[in-house]
Amino acid sequence: GDSVTQMEGPVTLSEEAFLTINCTYTATGYPSLFWYVQYPGEGLQLLLKATKADDKGSNKGFEATYRKETTSFHLEKGSVQVSDSAVYFCALSGAGSYQLTFGKGTKLSVIP
Amino acid sequence: NAGVTQTPKFQVLKTGQSMTLQCAQDMNHNSMYWYRQDPGMGLRLIYYSASEGTTDKGEVPNGYNVSRLNKREFSLRLESAAPSQTSVYFCASIPPIAGVGGEQFFGPGTRLTVL
Repeated sequence: GDSVTQMEGPVTLSEEAFLTINCTYTATGYPSLFWYVQYPGEGLQLLLKATKADDKGSNKGFEATYRKETTSFHLEKGSVQVSDSAVYFCALSGAGSYQLTFGKGTKLSVIP
Repeated sequence: NAGVTQTPKFQVLKTGQSMTLQCAQDMNHNSMYWYRQDPGMGLRLIYYSASEGTTDKGEVPNGYNVSRLNKREFSLRLESAAPSQTSVYFCASIPPIAGVGGEQFFGPGTRLTVL
């Protein structure tokens, strides 16, 4: 079945550092890929998505590129802020499906 | 629009007690979902409802039942709570014409502790 593997956390960075959170997936066909973010005490909200190979999703300075050849969707941000401290989830929905399969989440803490 | 709402926010139960978690959305969405979130496990799908009147099991349905009361509401029931059901529960919904790659909208969660 479908699965998502993302890097284990927690990740602690200083403000303005570069962020990469790795995500790889296993799925048949051409899934849609997502990054969701969960701020403390809140539900998940969509950060960005990509629906086909080579698409780049971007939002709030975050980017991720759908790489079919490496089955990856790594999340990057050039300069993190304290307000980016949250848990980040990589997820996929299989071709023709609305159901999401989540990775285990990566907790990011950004210190001033 | 309130989006997806969940009640209660917090609940403590004793083993064997029952309770119902409520979820409602005011966005005219068709599909609704119940997930549980456990440390180091990500989110796992318990049950989902593709449309009013239909429900299907997800990855971890044992110990739970659901009711799709109408298009707005989707409840999750624990008939006899167990400590293994201590978790944070999230409800989500998706728009009717989302198509492939549609975004799921999440509620704020219910934190449940079973003693």
